[in-house]
Amino acid sequence: GAVVSQHPSRVICKSGTSVKIECRSLDFQATTMFWYRQFPKQSLMLMATSNEGSKATYEQGVEKDKFLINHASLTLSTLTVTSAHPEDSSFYICSATPWGNSYEQYFGPGTRLTVT
Amino acid sequence: GNSVTQMEGPVTLSEEAFLTINCTYTATGYPSLFWYVQYPGEGLQLLLKATKADDKGSNKGFEATYRKETTSFHLEKGSVQVSDSAVYFCALSYSGGYQKVTFGIGTKLQVIP
Repeated sequence: GAVVSQHPSRVICKSGTSVKIECRSLDFQATTMFWYRQFPKQSLMLMATSNEGSKATYEQGVEKDKFLINHASLTLSTLTVTSAHPEDSSFYICSATPWGNSYEQYFGPGTRLTVT
Repeated sequence: GNSVTQMEGPVTLSEEAFLTINCTYTATGYPSLFWYVQYPGEGLQLLLKATKADDKGSNKGFEATYRKETTSFHLEKGSVQVSDSAVYFCALSYSGGYQKVTFGIGTKLQVIP
C-alpha cells in the first residue's frame, strides 16, 4: 500500500513551453502533497506544500507564477512549469501524506525534466 | 531552524563490509527521524524511521537508533551487498498538520564485489 505515482517519468520540452507533471496517490487519500526539486548530486529542496482545495504554500525563493500547483482532489496534485527554461531542467519529486498518518510521507518515483 | 548533517560521500565498501553513515541533527522539541534510500534514476523510498528517543528503526538489515543525547541517528548495516549501492538521505520531520521534511545532503554508497 501507500503508492504514489508520477507522470510522466521523463519529459523533454522546448524552451518557452509549459509542461505539466502529475502526482497521484494510488491507494490512499492524501491530506497534503509536497513538491520537491533535486539538483544533481544534491539533496531535495522543498518547493511547495499543497492541501486539497486550497492554495499551495511556496517556500522562499520559489516563484509561484512559474511553478503552478493545483491540488484538485485528495489523490491528485499537478505541478506546471510555465515558460520553461534550461535552468528549470531538474528532477522533480512529489510526496504525499496519508489522511490520519501525520508522520509518513510517501514519495513518487520522480520526473526528469529536460528543457532544450 | 532545523537542519540535518550527514557525511559526504561517496562511501566505497567491499561486499560484506560493515557500513556506518553518520547523521546528526539540530531541531527543537522531538522530531521523528528517517532514513530514505534513492536507487539510481528512482525516487525516494523510506528505509526506516524512529519517532522517539531510544527507538531503533530497522529494515532490510539496516538499523539506526534515535539518540537524543547526541542528536544522532547513524545508519548501520553489518554486511553490505552490491544491491545496497544507492544514495542514502537522513531526514527529520514533525507530526502535525504541516509535516515539512528536512533532508540531509545525501550520502552515496558504492559497494564493489
